Amino acid sequence: QQQVKQSPQSLIVQKGGIPIINCAYENTAFDYFPWYQQFPGKGPALLIAIRPDVSEKKEGRFTISFNKSAKQFSLHIMDSQPGDSATYFCAAGPRDTGNQFYFGTGTSLTVIP
Amino acid sequence: DADVTQTPRNRITKTGKRIMLECSQTKGHDRMYWYRQDPGLGLQLIYYSFDVKDINKGEISDGYSVSRQAQAKFSLSLESAIPNQTALYFCATSDKGDRGGADTQYFGPGTRLTVL
Repeated sequence: QQQVKQSPQSLIVQKGGIPIINCAYENTAFDYFPWYQQFPGKGPALLIAIRPDVSEKKEGRFTISFNKSAKQFSLHIMDSQPGDSATYFCAAGPRDTGNQFYFGTGTSLTVIP
Repeated sequence: DADVTQTPRNRITKTGKRIMLECSQTKGHDRMYWYRQDPGLGLQLIYYSFDVKDINKGEISDGYSVSRQAQAKFSLSLESAIPNQTALYFCATSDKGDRGGADTQYFGPGTRLTVL
């Protein structure tokens, strides 16, 4: 049973495009939503994270949009570059109890020059 | 991330063999985790430990065991490896969040395990 559902599985965009990756969750106890970026041969690394007290968070070219009522959150990459080509994972977990994250299945992003 | 190291980085073994994967961290975190990554399945939690005396099963603990030898060391063992345990294994560490729960996890470079 997948606690966090992520789509699409793969995405190809032209340089300068705005890829969007979507995630959905069911557990209302989740209140911490990080995104991780993974390059081939490396471990995942935190990219950006959001808490449900805000609907949007921007860090550089990366933006998370959060819809608490729909239990959905999305990653947008503005002005995408070939160097953004990687696998992206969303995750969700509770801030109050324990520290078990649940990860989405990942999205493989390719940015074509 | 050099703060979290895993050994070995690659391992090929045969069905039925006992395997140990090791993880060390210099971040000073109390919390450590073992994940398994399979194509199309993302990251699945095997075991996690909040301190040396606190070890918990994750989503897919069957066939695995762990040992927390010290704050900085967390080992994963496969007592009798089987081919469907072929995967990429990641160790991660984290601090305790501001409300006692979730916080950023820092991952090691991974161990690629192949069971023939």
